[in-house]
Amino acid sequence: QQQVKQSPQSLIVQKGGIPIINCAYENTAFDYFPWYQQFPGKGPALLIAIRPDVSEKKEGRFTISFNKSAKQFSLHIMDSQPGDSATYFCAANEGSYIPTFGRGTSLIVHP
Amino acid sequence: GAGVSQSPSNKVTEKGKDVELRCDPISGHTALYWYRQSLGQGLEFLIYFQGNSAPDKSGLPSDRFSAERTGGSVSTLTIQRTQQEDSAVYLCASSYNPVANVLTFGAGSRLTVL
Repeated sequence: QQQVKQSPQSLIVQKGGIPIINCAYENTAFDYFPWYQQFPGKGPALLIAIRPDVSEKKEGRFTISFNKSAKQFSLHIMDSQPGDSATYFCAANEGSYIPTFGRGTSLIVHP
Repeated sequence: GAGVSQSPSNKVTEKGKDVELRCDPISGHTALYWYRQSLGQGLEFLIYFQGNSAPDKSGLPSDRFSAERTGGSVSTLTIQRTQQEDSAVYLCASSYNPVANVLTFGAGSRLTVL
């Protein structure tokens, strides 16, 4: 049972574009929503995270938008660069329990 | 150490052989996870260790897979009688903060079964 649905599976944009990756969840007990970035040959690494009591969090060019009533959250990458090309995973945590990951989005940013 | 260390980074084995993959988590991290990532795929949860509690083995795909964690630190994932479908990258992660459960991943062990 997939508790966090992530879309799209892949995404191609031109440099400077604003890719958007969406995630939806069902479990209202989730209380922490991190995004991980994975480069080829590396393990995923925390990029940015949000709690459900805020609607937006921004760190540099990366922004999470959170809609608690719709049980959806999304990652926006402003002024995307070729170096942002990676696989992005959304996740949802319920306390300290095992995180639930989305299936991942492969992002390619063309120069 | 400064990060999660996994070894070997690459392992090529023949079908039917047993393999052991090692994970050295960040010192002081009480939780340790194993995930499997097949080529171009997502993160498949395998097993979770938390302190001295019994491990959550709910993600292990078959009884050929087992894992142990000694002394609350180093963990070994063992795959017996490997099959070609076991070929994947095996990722280990550890965490500490029970409030914001952020995982720190190792670089993974790439297993190829011929």
